[in-house]
Amino acid sequence: DVKVTQSSRYLVKRTGEKVFLECVQDMDHENMFWYRQDPGLGLRLIYFSYDVKMKEKGDIPEGYSVSREKKERFSLILESASTNQTSMYLCASSLQFESSYNEQFFGPGTRLTVL
Amino acid sequence: GIQVEQSPPDLILQEGANSTLQCNFSDSVNNLQWFHQNPWGQLINLFYIPSGTKQNGRLSATTVATERYSLLYISSSQTTDSGVYFCAVEPHQKVTFGTGTKLQVIP
Repeated sequence: DVKVTQSSRYLVKRTGEKVFLECVQDMDHENMFWYRQDPGLGLRLIYFSYDVKMKEKGDIPEGYSVSREKKERFSLILESASTNQTSMYLCASSLQFESSYNEQFFGPGTRLTVL
Repeated sequence: GIQVEQSPPDLILQEGANSTLQCNFSDSVNNLQWFHQNPWGQLINLFYIPSGTKQNGRLSATTVATERYSLLYISSSQTTDSGVYFCAVEPHQKVTFGTGTKLQVIP
């Protein structure tokens, strides 16, 4: 079974802090994704990566950056956290876009509160 | 970008009842998935179904790619089926989620 893990289930930070959210997958997947989920807005794609050191902006990249130094690890960085970044953050991975079978698998999520 | 609409937005069922959830999308897609989000926020994979029909126990799904819709059938619903059901489509690399159907199954 694919396993996607996230570093924290719950996180509380203060405005202006630098925040790191870590995601690790154990199935040698090429693609990794970061989403945020907010009531009434569904899941929105922040960034994704299709290879080590490669990244692509999603629909709402402002205020975020990412890092993918190793294939299994994809980090989401909030350079200076703000209260409007309080949300549920979900990481996912999938095999590769060129594959005929490209199912996404999700981690358990991190509920981030910025005070 | 692609639009993904799910209906109904909310659904209340008596335990044992059957239901159909619908996902409509505005453009052709390479992939389509159905997820169930449990009360703890975990997204559980239900079906990977870019076309055709699949069944898994009390659940089944059908995607008609040429007509740009997918259906999720839940039969003999149980209280553990409660939660939010999402469809997600991938037209080209970028995955877009629908806004979900919130299902409540009451005893």
